[in-house]
Amino acid sequence: EPEVTQTPSHQVTQMGQEVILRCVPISNHLYFYWYRQILGQKVEFLVSFYNNEISEKSEIFDDQFSVERPDGSNFTLKIRSTKLEDSAMYFCASSLYRDGKVTEAFFGQGTRLTVV
Amino acid sequence: EDKVVQSPLSLVVHEGDTVTLNCSYEVTNFRSLLWYKQEKKAPTFLFMLTSSGIEKKSGRLSSILDKKELSSILNITATQTGDSAIYLCAVEGRDDKIIFGKGTRLHILP
Repeated sequence: EPEVTQTPSHQVTQMGQEVILRCVPISNHLYFYWYRQILGQKVEFLVSFYNNEISEKSEIFDDQFSVERPDGSNFTLKIRSTKLEDSAMYFCASSLYRDGKVTEAFFGQGTRLTVV
Repeated sequence: EDKVVQSPLSLVVHEGDTVTLNCSYEVTNFRSLLWYKQEKKAPTFLFMLTSSGIEKKSGRLSSILDKKELSSILNITATQTGDSAIYLCAVEGRDDKIIFGKGTRLHILP
C-alpha cells in the first residue's frame, strides 16, 4: 500500500542551527502538508502546498520556515534558525486533488525534532 | 476563529463496552470532517464525512455527521484493548486548511 515516508525519524539539533525535514508523498498526490505536534498538545497545521506554491499557511509558519519541492518526489520543510520551542513531532501529509476537491490526507510517521 | 472541540478529553472503559466520541466545530466554509486514530506516532485515517445523516461504517467503528448541529460522533462497539488510542477529529475549511481538535484519549481496560 502506498505510504508517505519521512526522514529522519528523529533529529537532535543545537539551537540556532538550520534543519531540513524530508518527506516523500504518495506518488500521484498533488496536495502536500506539514503539521506539528508539540509533546502532549494537539496537532497543528503549518502549511499546505499545491502546484509548486504555498496554498495556505498558519500563523506558526513565520519567516524562519520554508517549504520546497526540489524534485518530483521530495517535499521538504526547512527551519532556518531553530529555537527550543520548535521541538516537536513534525508530520508530513499528502492528498489527491480530484474533481476540484481535496481528498483525505494520509500522514507519514513523523520526524521527532529535538532542539537543545 | 475556526475551531474544533472534542469531548470527552479522556475516557476509560472496559473491554466490550460501547463508546461514543463527540466532535463539534465552527469552521468557515465547511468542506468535510475527518476522523483519525493516533496510536504511537502518526494519525491514521478512519473516515471522511461530507454529507449530513449518512453513516459510515468500518467494522466496529461508525461515524455520522450532523451539519445542522455542526457536530459528528464516532461510535466504537464491543471495544478491544487495541482500540486504545487518541481519536482526532479534523475539519477541512476554507483554503484547504485542516483544523484538528485536541483529541479524545481512549483507554480500554482488559
